Amino acid sequence: QVQLVESGGGVVQPGGSLRLSCAASGFTFSRYGMHWVRQAPGKGLEWVAFIRYDGSHKYFADSVKGRFTISRDNSKNTLFLQMSSLRAEDTAVYYCAKDVVNTVTTFAFDIWGQGTMVTVSS
Amino acid sequence: EIVLTQSPATLSLSPGERATLSCRASQSVSSYLAWYQQKPGQAPRLLIYDASNRATGIPARFSGSGSGTDFTLTINSLEPEDFAVYYCQQRSNWPSITFGQGTRLEIK
Repeated sequence: QVQLVESGGGVVQPGGSLRLSCAASGFTFSRYGMHWVRQAPGKGLEWVAFIRYDGSHKYFADSVKGRFTISRDNSKNTLFLQMSSLRAEDTAVYYCAKDVVNTVTTFAFDIWGQGTMVTVSS
Repeated sequence: EIVLTQSPATLSLSPGERATLSCRASQSVSSYLAWYQQKPGQAPRLLIYDASNRATGIPARFSGSGSGTDFTLTINSLEPEDFAVYYCQQRSNWPSITFGQGTRLEIK
């Protein structure tokens, strides 16, 4: 079945770095744009980053621009989020999510992973 | 930034009743609006995209309507599993997408 599984979350000090991964299965990963969306404890949803199916275009929320990078390895069906200069306000569950339509950028998310928790604290 | 305002913040209903959830945009988003359901400890689930298209596997009791700035998610004959938090999301001017703050649908 279609599945996304995140990993790499944990506790990190302010100013530190962390790399999240998202393993995809059950669909042709290389044909879909992929996103990271986060949710701070008890709060709503915030889109974080997007990468086009072929990796040629990337977009970031203003809140993470210049600190986070997104990448993908289509040969390994894996999505990444490299986070640096982390702040307390980056504390959240991070979800990877699949774009709805293949090879078309829609910014609607039809499949989500279970999420991985990132806590930024000293 | 387009602000989405959901109302009510909390809706208390009984199983079998109809739920009507509202999402209002600060400017037109055309029909580029989606609805998600989130249960405690779970990831969101796409219900409706482009205002009125049900996502794969979503029961027919869920329907979406609206365009421009005013949108509605209707859930007919509530089932026990429908009690959750619902978010709307606009993609009109991606990558500057935004979510609403959510409506909590609780059992009365």
